[in-house]
Amino acid sequence: GAGVSQSPSNKVTEKGKDVELRCDPISGHTALYWYRQSLGQGLEFLIYFQGNSAPDKSGLPSDRFSAERTGGSVSTLTIQRTQQEDSAVYLCASSWTSGGAGDTQYFGPGTRLTVL
Amino acid sequence: AQTVTQSQPEMSVQEAETVTLSCTYDTSESDYYLFWYKQPPSRQMILVIRQEAYKQQNATENRFSVNFQKAAKSFSLKISDSQLGDAAMYFCAYTHPFDMRFGAGTRLTVKP
Repeated sequence: GAGVSQSPSNKVTEKGKDVELRCDPISGHTALYWYRQSLGQGLEFLIYFQGNSAPDKSGLPSDRFSAERTGGSVSTLTIQRTQQEDSAVYLCASSWTSGGAGDTQYFGPGTRLTVL
Repeated sequence: AQTVTQSQPEMSVQEAETVTLSCTYDTSESDYYLFWYKQPPSRQMILVIRQEAYKQQNATENRFSVNFQKAAKSFSLKISDSQLGDAAMYFCAYTHPFDMRFGAGTRLTVKP
């Protein structure tokens, strides 16, 4: 695809429900990143994938958050038993390789999650 | 932990004038990368400019340039000949490696 795509663009859910957020990276990009942006705040790094593996999951806020990537492409961020403090914009980014920290990350448009 | 600080929550500039956005960071590493990203109301994060820490020469991209002071751990962004389309949130970011840290952002307003 031409860029990173994310779905849905907006998600409203009730407290306690599970949600799945999807990210489709740029074709050929091996690295994929998830961030959370709370209202008026900067970006909080959550997790990154190199291929299908996530070497460091320490950025995930709690054990209610999980992420997976299959086939080295699409990734899903799952939030179980959502809480109101989970309300934020969730951004996904991808880059060509993980060979260098300076690889430019290309961002998707984000998913705005609202937990009522 | 590495932190990135943007001390200016809001800035404004007159169209065609020059504005400088400040960013400082804290790290014990010697090799890292710094970025400025722009986020317009559409939410799409767009890379403005990047700087490799091992390069002494300041990066430039058309009207955008940086003043990278490694010893002072400072990385400011200068926008020359400001245009209405430059209005956005600007985020400074640091990475070493893969763990990218962002500042809280500076909201830039461009006045016609």
